[in-house]
Amino acid sequence: DAGVIQSPRHEVTEMGQEVTLRCKPISGHNSLFWYRQTMMRGLELLIYFNNNVPIDDSGMPEDRFSAKMPNASFSTLKIQPSEPRDSAVYFCASRQTSGVNGADTQYFGPGTRLTVL
Amino acid sequence: AQSVAQPEDQVNVAEGNPLTVKCTYSVSGNPYLFWYVQYPNRGLQFLLKYITGDNLVKGSYGFEAEFNKSQTSFHLKKPSALVSDSALYFCAVSDLDSNYQLIWGAGTKLIIKP
Repeated sequence: DAGVIQSPRHEVTEMGQEVTLRCKPISGHNSLFWYRQTMMRGLELLIYFNNNVPIDDSGMPEDRFSAKMPNASFSTLKIQPSEPRDSAVYFCASRQTSGVNGADTQYFGPGTRLTVL
Repeated sequence: AQSVAQPEDQVNVAEGNPLTVKCTYSVSGNPYLFWYVQYPNRGLQFLLKYITGDNLVKGSYGFEAEFNKSQTSFHLKKPSALVSDSALYFCAVSDLDSNYQLIWGAGTKLIIKP
């Protein structure tokens, strides 16, 4: 299996521009997570999908952030407009969620390093 | 509220010596506990997890962790450290109150010196 695939791996953009990050989960997994990692705040859960439906978006920092999952094999995280404080590494993770939700393992992609100038 | 503490920002160990990376947690229900490792410029890789049963869990790369309910701890251990074990290690916990979302520790940087 190819694992979780994220693109691009690196993104450098200017403040005010729109940024779109992409994720392809592991085939057969029914849950998808978007995380953000910074030195100051560590690893933060932004949003969580189950069967393509957003379940918990309480971690999305503000309206500038949006996420979609149009089908089981693709998700996007969009930032519009981007700001320098959005600079971070963004990870996507997927999981095959069974009856015991918390016991299932999340598998992470390699991340997208975003720099907003 | 649920929480995870990794009390050491950094752990230094000589190659060949045993290593321990500490993790304590606070949850109201029965915890599910996880360890992940992150190498530089890479995503997090799953090492091992405790769900139920035997308190000693064995995982990838020779790592193991011991669940101690009375001390609410889940320390990561390895009998003999390798330089290649140098990385950032994260402990995480989930339970019913967290809606089974992972609550993450801040991470511990493990440095293995030759």
